[in-house]
Parts: sequence; structure tokens; C-alpha cells
Amino acid sequence: NAGVTQTPKFQVLKTGQSMTLQCAQDMNHEYMSWYRQDPGMGLRLIHYSVGAGITDQGEVPNGYNVSRSTTEDFPLRLLSAAPSQTSVYFCASSLTGYTDTQYFGPGTRLTVL
Amino acid sequence: GEDVEQSLFLSVREGDSSVINCTYTDSSSTYLYWYKQEPGAGLQLLTYIFSNMDMKQDQRLTVLLNKKDKHLSLRIADTQTGDSAIYFCAESIRNQGGKLIFGQGTELSVKP
Repeated sequence: NAGVTQTPKFQVLKTGQSMTLQCAQDMNHEYMSWYRQDPGMGLRLIHYSVGAGITDQGEVPNGYNVSRSTTEDFPLRLLSAAPSQTSVYFCASSLTGYTDTQYFGPGTRLTVL
Repeated sequence: GEDVEQSLFLSVREGDSSVINCTYTDSSSTYLYWYKQEPGAGLQLLTYIFSNMDMKQDQRLTVLLNKKDKHLSLRIADTQTGDSAIYFCAESIRNQGGKLIFGQGTELSVKP
């Protein structure tokens, strides 16, 4: 059981480039989410999914896209990276939703120049 | 609106008790959580409390919830240097599909 995995661990992009942050879980969890962590601001929800084929916006969705074609995977796409997207990104999953413990991945540290 | 507030720093001596405080605004929260983040690592769930409980104890950890004042605290007994980390309080919101609202995090520094 690997839990929640994220790749890459580190990434440097130039402004305007696009990329996909990968997140996978092997616990058959229905609920998955993406957060970004910025100094002094805690974690803020970007997008979340309550099951395959269903996604919804969180607190700070602008500049990010998600899709959920399988239960296991929940990739986060940056369409045109901006310096304001420099952050640490965490993926999380739980069995069904807010009543269940959310497990976090190790994070992806992204720098946009 | 939904907001969770924590003080940013706490420094204690090894062997003392640490108390980390958190206030929240949304009265429809269902679960309140404490997460621990060590440097360069992800978030580790420490403990949680259901919103109709007052207290929960788990080994060295005691969580107290004052629902009237919307105040949550985490007490760590016999604090060790390995407890040095950032501690996040979070609340889950009823009927919002698992959304967690996090505080800014409290950096706990344990001095030998």
C-alpha cells in the first residue's frame, strides 16, 4: 500500500509553460483534492473530486484544471504557469468525504520563474 | 464565512507541556483536525475530534473543544525535540464534499 503518491517532487518552470502534477492513490478512495501551501497562509483548496468523472472548484481554482477519469488518479494541470503559482502543492484523498480521514501526499515544490 | 486562525509561533522547553490554540468561525463544522508537518514533508494526521465532543485524549495528546467559543486546542504533554514541527488546525464543513479549511499553522520549537 503506497498511500498517496505525487510526482514530481520538485519542478522549475518558466512563465507561460504548462505542466501536469500527478497524484495517485491505491486505497480505493473516492474523494481526492489538491491544495497549495504558501507561507503564512496555511493550505488552500484548489479543486476536489468526490468520485471518478466528478470534479468541483475549491477556494483558489483559477489557472488550474483537473480531471478524474479513474478512481486512482487526480492530475492537476497548470495551463500557463505564472510566478504567483510558485508554491508547494499537496494532494489528499479520503474514503468518501469530510467524515473520513484525509491522507496527504508528500507534496510537489513548484517554482515559476 | 469560513476562517480558521492560529498563532504563528510557540516555543517551549523539552519536558514542558505545549498548548496550541485555534479558533474557527463556521458553526456548521463537523470534524476538527490537527495535522503535523515536519520540514520538507507532507501533512500527518495527529488526531481529530467530532464537533459534538468536548475532549479527546490520545497518549500525549489532548484535544479540547469549546463549541460555544469556537475554540480548539491541542495539548502535547512532555514535549520532546521530535515534536518540533508546524501544527495545522483544520475544520471540515458540512455539505461541502470533504472540503477542509486550514489555519495558517503554528510553528512549535522545542528547546533542549
